Amino acid sequence: EAAVTQSPRNKVAVTGGKVTLSCNQTNNHNNMYWYRQDTGHGLRLIHYSYGAGSTEKGDIPDGYKASRPSQENFSLILELATPSQTSVYFCASGLGGSQNTLYFGAGTRLSVL
Amino acid sequence: GEQVEQRPPHLSVREGDSAVITCTYTDPNSYYFFWYKQEPGASLQLLMKVFSSTEINEGQGFTVLLNKKDKRLSLNLTAAHPGDSAAYFCAVSPNTNTGKLTFGDGTVLTVKP
Repeated sequence: EAAVTQSPRNKVAVTGGKVTLSCNQTNNHNNMYWYRQDTGHGLRLIHYSYGAGSTEKGDIPDGYKASRPSQENFSLILELATPSQTSVYFCASGLGGSQNTLYFGAGTRLSVL
Repeated sequence: GEQVEQRPPHLSVREGDSAVITCTYTDPNSYYFFWYKQEPGASLQLLMKVFSSTEINEGQGFTVLLNKKDKRLSLNLTAAHPGDSAAYFCAVSPNTNTGKLTFGDGTVLTVKP
Protein backbone atom coordinates (compact mmCIF):
# COMPACT_ATOMS: atom_id res chain seq x y z
CA GLU A 1 0.00 0.00 0.00
CA ALA A 2 1.29 3.41 -1.00
CA ALA A 3 2.15 5.60 1.98
CA VAL A 4 1.99 9.38 2.09
CA THR A 5 2.29 11.04 5.49
CA GLN A 6 1.47 14.67 6.17
CA SER A 7 2.33 16.75 9.21
CA PRO A 8 0.90 18.47 11.08
CA ARG A 9 -2.65 17.17 10.76
CA ASN A 10 -4.08 20.38 12.17
CA LYS A 11 -2.55 23.83 12.38
CA VAL A 12 -3.72 27.20 13.63
CA ALA A 13 -1.64 30.13 12.44
CA VAL A 14 -1.79 33.89 12.80
CA THR A 15 -2.10 36.28 9.89
CA GLY A 16 1.35 37.25 8.66
CA GLY A 17 3.04 34.27 10.21
CA LYS A 18 5.07 31.62 8.40
CA VAL A 19 3.61 28.15 7.99
CA THR A 20 5.34 25.03 6.72
CA LEU A 21 3.38 21.92 5.80
CA SER A 22 5.40 18.74 5.40
CA CYS A 23 4.84 15.63 3.33
CA ASN A 24 6.76 12.36 3.25
CA GLN A 25 6.23 9.46 0.86
CA THR A 26 7.74 5.99 1.00
CA ASN A 27 6.57 4.94 -2.48
CA ASN A 28 9.71 6.03 -4.31
CA HIS A 29 7.48 8.02 -6.64
CA ASN A 30 9.09 10.72 -8.74
CA ASN A 31 6.19 13.14 -8.69
CA MET A 32 4.65 14.88 -5.71
CA TYR A 33 1.80 17.37 -5.53
CA TRP A 34 0.18 19.85 -3.18
CA TYR A 35 -3.54 20.49 -3.52
CA ARG A 36 -5.96 22.53 -1.45
CA GLN A 37 -9.59 21.65 -0.92
CA ASP A 38 -12.19 24.22 0.02
CA THR A 39 -15.73 23.46 1.12
CA GLY A 40 -17.93 22.65 -1.84
CA HIS A 41 -15.02 22.49 -4.25
CA GLY A 42 -12.71 19.93 -5.68
CA LEU A 43 -8.98 19.91 -5.28
CA ARG A 44 -6.91 22.67 -6.84
CA LEU A 45 -3.23 22.22 -7.62
CA ILE A 46 -0.81 24.60 -5.90
CA HIS A 47 2.67 23.22 -6.68
CA TYR A 48 4.13 19.97 -7.89
CA SER A 49 7.52 18.37 -8.36
CA TYR A 50 9.16 15.91 -10.74
CA GLY A 51 11.86 14.90 -8.30
CA ALA A 52 14.42 16.13 -5.79
CA GLY A 53 15.35 19.75 -6.42
CA SER A 54 12.42 20.38 -8.77
CA THR A 55 9.34 22.50 -8.08
CA GLU A 56 6.72 23.64 -10.58
CA LYS A 57 3.82 26.05 -10.29
CA GLY A 58 0.36 24.59 -10.39
CA ASP A 59 -2.90 26.37 -11.08
CA ILE A 60 -3.02 28.53 -7.91
CA PRO A 61 0.61 29.12 -6.77
CA ASP A 62 0.30 32.72 -5.54
CA GLY A 63 1.17 33.06 -1.85
CA TYR A 64 2.82 29.64 -1.68
CA LYS A 65 6.30 28.26 -2.13
CA ALA A 66 7.38 24.65 -2.35
CA SER A 67 10.54 22.75 -1.57
CA ARG A 68 11.61 19.22 -2.61
CA PRO A 69 14.90 18.51 -0.82
CA SER A 70 14.74 14.76 -1.44
CA GLN A 71 12.76 12.09 -3.28
CA GLU A 72 10.75 11.43 -0.12
CA ASN A 73 9.96 14.93 1.13
CA PHE A 74 7.94 17.79 -0.29
CA SER A 75 7.06 20.90 1.74
CA LEU A 76 4.56 23.68 1.19
CA ILE A 77 5.51 27.04 2.64
CA LEU A 78 3.28 30.00 3.37
CA GLU A 79 5.68 32.87 4.04
CA LEU A 80 2.98 35.35 5.07
CA ALA A 81 -0.19 33.44 5.89
CA THR A 82 -3.55 35.09 5.20
CA PRO A 83 -7.08 34.09 6.27
CA SER A 84 -7.87 33.23 2.61
CA GLN A 85 -5.39 30.37 2.93
CA THR A 86 -7.57 28.67 5.52
CA SER A 87 -8.25 25.32 3.89
CA VAL A 88 -7.53 21.60 3.91
CA TYR A 89 -4.26 20.76 2.17
CA PHE A 90 -3.54 17.42 0.57
CA CYS A 91 -0.22 16.07 -0.51
CA ALA A 92 -0.03 13.30 -3.10
CA SER A 93 2.59 11.24 -4.86
CA GLY A 94 2.54 9.46 -8.19
CA LEU A 95 4.74 7.92 -10.87
CA GLY A 96 3.83 10.65 -13.36
CA GLY A 97 2.64 10.23 -16.91
CA SER A 98 -0.87 10.43 -18.33
CA GLN A 99 -2.21 7.42 -16.41
CA ASN A 100 -0.77 8.71 -13.19
CA THR A 101 -2.62 7.38 -10.16
CA LEU A 102 -2.21 9.74 -7.24
CA TYR A 103 -1.86 8.47 -3.69
CA PHE A 104 -3.04 11.02 -1.17
CA GLY A 105 -2.05 11.81 2.37
CA ALA A 106 -4.63 12.26 5.12
CA GLY A 107 -4.68 16.03 4.76
CA THR A 108 -3.75 19.03 6.92
CA ARG A 109 -6.46 21.32 8.18
CA LEU A 110 -5.04 24.87 8.36
CA SER A 111 -6.81 27.78 9.99
CA VAL A 112 -5.32 31.25 9.65
CA LEU A 113 -6.74 33.69 12.17
CA GLY B 1 -6.85 25.21 -19.36
CA GLU B 2 -8.96 22.17 -18.68
CA GLN B 3 -12.35 22.76 -17.09
CA VAL B 4 -14.27 19.95 -15.42
CA GLU B 5 -17.92 20.34 -14.49
CA GLN B 6 -19.42 17.78 -12.14
CA ARG B 7 -23.15 17.31 -11.47
CA PRO B 8 -25.03 17.12 -9.21
CA PRO B 9 -23.27 18.74 -6.24
CA HIS B 10 -25.51 16.87 -3.81
CA LEU B 11 -27.42 13.62 -4.30
CA SER B 12 -29.65 11.79 -1.84
CA VAL B 13 -31.02 8.32 -2.62
CA ARG B 14 -32.63 5.44 -0.80
CA GLU B 15 -30.78 2.21 -0.13
CA GLY B 16 -31.04 -0.04 -3.19
CA ASP B 17 -31.59 2.84 -5.60
CA SER B 18 -29.14 3.77 -8.31
CA ALA B 19 -27.12 6.98 -8.20
CA VAL B 20 -25.55 8.64 -11.24
CA ILE B 21 -22.85 11.31 -11.17
CA THR B 22 -21.68 12.96 -14.37
CA CYS B 23 -18.65 15.01 -15.36
CA THR B 24 -18.05 16.92 -18.55
CA TYR B 25 -14.67 18.28 -19.56
CA THR B 26 -13.42 20.72 -22.16
CA ASP B 27 -10.01 19.57 -23.40
CA PRO B 28 -10.42 17.05 -26.26
CA ASN B 29 -6.83 15.92 -25.68
CA SER B 30 -7.56 14.71 -22.16
CA TYR B 31 -6.26 11.22 -21.83
CA TYR B 32 -6.97 9.42 -18.59
CA PHE B 33 -9.97 9.72 -16.33
CA PHE B 34 -10.37 8.92 -12.66
CA TRP B 35 -12.99 8.58 -9.96
CA TYR B 36 -12.02 9.14 -6.34
CA LYS B 37 -14.07 8.57 -3.20
CA GLN B 38 -13.64 10.66 -0.05
CA GLU B 39 -15.35 9.57 3.14
CA PRO B 40 -16.06 12.26 5.76
CA GLY B 41 -12.86 13.56 7.34
CA ALA B 42 -10.71 11.20 5.30
CA SER B 43 -8.42 11.35 2.30
CA LEU B 44 -9.20 10.46 -1.31
CA GLN B 45 -9.15 6.86 -2.44
CA LEU B 46 -9.05 5.79 -6.08
CA LEU B 47 -12.19 3.99 -7.24
CA MET B 48 -11.31 3.46 -10.88
CA LYS B 49 -9.41 4.90 -13.81
CA VAL B 50 -10.44 4.57 -17.45
CA PHE B 51 -8.77 5.31 -20.73
CA SER B 52 -10.39 4.10 -23.96
CA SER B 53 -12.51 6.34 -26.17
CA THR B 54 -15.72 4.68 -25.18
CA GLU B 55 -15.45 2.40 -22.24
CA ILE B 56 -17.60 0.79 -19.65
CA ASN B 57 -15.79 -0.45 -16.60
CA GLU B 58 -17.46 -2.31 -13.80
CA GLY B 59 -16.28 -2.32 -10.24
CA GLN B 60 -17.81 -3.60 -7.05
CA GLY B 61 -21.31 -2.12 -7.14
CA PHE B 62 -20.58 0.59 -9.70
CA THR B 63 -20.10 1.21 -13.40
CA VAL B 64 -17.99 3.89 -15.05
CA LEU B 65 -18.80 5.07 -18.55
CA LEU B 66 -16.49 7.23 -20.63
CA ASN B 67 -17.55 8.87 -23.88
CA LYS B 68 -14.68 10.89 -25.34
CA LYS B 69 -16.76 12.02 -28.31
CA ASP B 70 -19.13 13.83 -25.96
CA LYS B 71 -16.36 14.57 -23.42
CA ARG B 72 -18.44 12.98 -20.70
CA LEU B 73 -17.61 10.67 -17.82
CA SER B 74 -20.15 9.11 -15.49
CA LEU B 75 -20.24 7.01 -12.36
CA ASN B 76 -23.28 4.83 -11.74
CA LEU B 77 -23.75 3.17 -8.37
CA THR B 78 -26.15 0.39 -9.28
CA ALA B 79 -27.65 -0.46 -5.88
CA ALA B 80 -26.48 2.08 -3.36
CA HIS B 81 -26.06 1.20 0.31
CA PRO B 82 -25.34 3.46 3.30
CA GLY B 83 -21.63 2.63 3.13
CA ASP B 84 -21.51 4.42 -0.22
CA SER B 85 -22.28 7.73 1.49
CA ALA B 86 -19.27 9.92 0.70
CA ALA B 87 -18.02 12.64 -1.60
CA TYR B 88 -17.10 11.52 -5.10
CA PHE B 89 -14.71 13.38 -7.37
CA CYS B 90 -13.93 12.91 -11.03
CA ALA B 91 -10.49 13.90 -12.27
CA VAL B 92 -9.00 14.32 -15.73
CA SER B 93 -5.39 13.91 -16.82
CA PRO B 94 -3.72 15.36 -19.94
CA ASN B 95 -1.49 13.32 -22.23
CA THR B 96 1.71 14.69 -20.72
CA ASN B 97 4.30 13.59 -18.22
CA THR B 98 3.19 16.00 -15.53
CA GLY B 99 0.62 13.66 -14.05
CA LYS B 100 -1.43 16.71 -13.12
CA LEU B 101 -5.08 16.05 -12.46
CA THR B 102 -7.93 18.53 -12.84
CA PHE B 103 -10.74 17.71 -10.43
CA GLY B 104 -14.46 18.32 -10.56
CA ASP B 105 -16.03 20.09 -7.59
CA GLY B 106 -17.38 16.84 -6.19
CA THR B 107 -20.73 15.24 -5.42
CA VAL B 108 -21.82 14.56 -1.87
CA LEU B 109 -23.84 11.35 -1.95
CA THR B 110 -26.13 10.42 0.93
CA VAL B 111 -27.70 6.97 0.96
CA LYS B 112 -30.59 6.66 3.38
CA PRO B 113 -31.61 3.26 4.83
